[in-house]
Amino acid sequence: NAGVTQTPKFRVLKTGQSMTLLCAQDMNHEYMYWYRQDPGMGLRLIHYSVGEGTTAKGEVPDGYNVSRLKKQNFLLGLESAAPSQTSVYFCAISRRRRNITDTQYFGPGTRLTVL
Amino acid sequence: DAKTTQPPSMDCAEGRAANLPCNHSTISGNEYVYWYRQIHSQGPQYIIHGLKNNETNEMASLIITEDRKSSTLILPHATLRDTAVYYCIVRPYFGNEKLTFGTGTRLTIIP
Repeated sequence: NAGVTQTPKFRVLKTGQSMTLLCAQDMNHEYMYWYRQDPGMGLRLIHYSVGEGTTAKGEVPDGYNVSRLKKQNFLLGLESAAPSQTSVYFCAISRRRRNITDTQYFGPGTRLTVL
Repeated sequence: DAKTTQPPSMDCAEGRAANLPCNHSTISGNEYVYWYRQIHSQGPQYIIHGLKNNETNEMASLIITEDRKSSTLILPHATLRDTAVYYCIVRPYFGNEKLTFGTGTRLTIIP
């Protein structure tokens, strides 16, 4: 997980509350991603960004917003948290090498519980 | 992206080679095979990837069949710290979007 940090590590919210998860990287990678992982399941992509100021939807974007104002930071926001958003959230980064797919490296995760 | 099929669980004795199979019969010519693992809810860790040739790095070896419809990840001398869920993923050569994680293989290394 070197080079990718996530803040906070744990959080408990009440239904309807809002919060922002921060992913920060010091590897100067262009691409950043937010995934969620529910118990016993694989990761699912929420949103991703191919560069500063650009974001795109993944496969499960509803209920989340993202922003990439600085290259090194990718923010994931929950405007009105719901119990269905209880999950572990992982950030990932990868380089851009022309058009060639590159390896994604993951952060340590944020464990979110919505009551 | 092509789908993959992996056994849900496997055991391996400590010190022996762990061989994890993956079927990807619908893989297309522009798709790589990637392997990641996840140790006890930590972030997924990249292991290795390949296109059609066998690959080896400090962590593992990847053997891809000639028709590319299946592959095997080999951990040559498994240790207790290799206990994890291992994910086999195929994704296109071009593009940088999602990794599609299935449910993987839960590998348990037995002392």
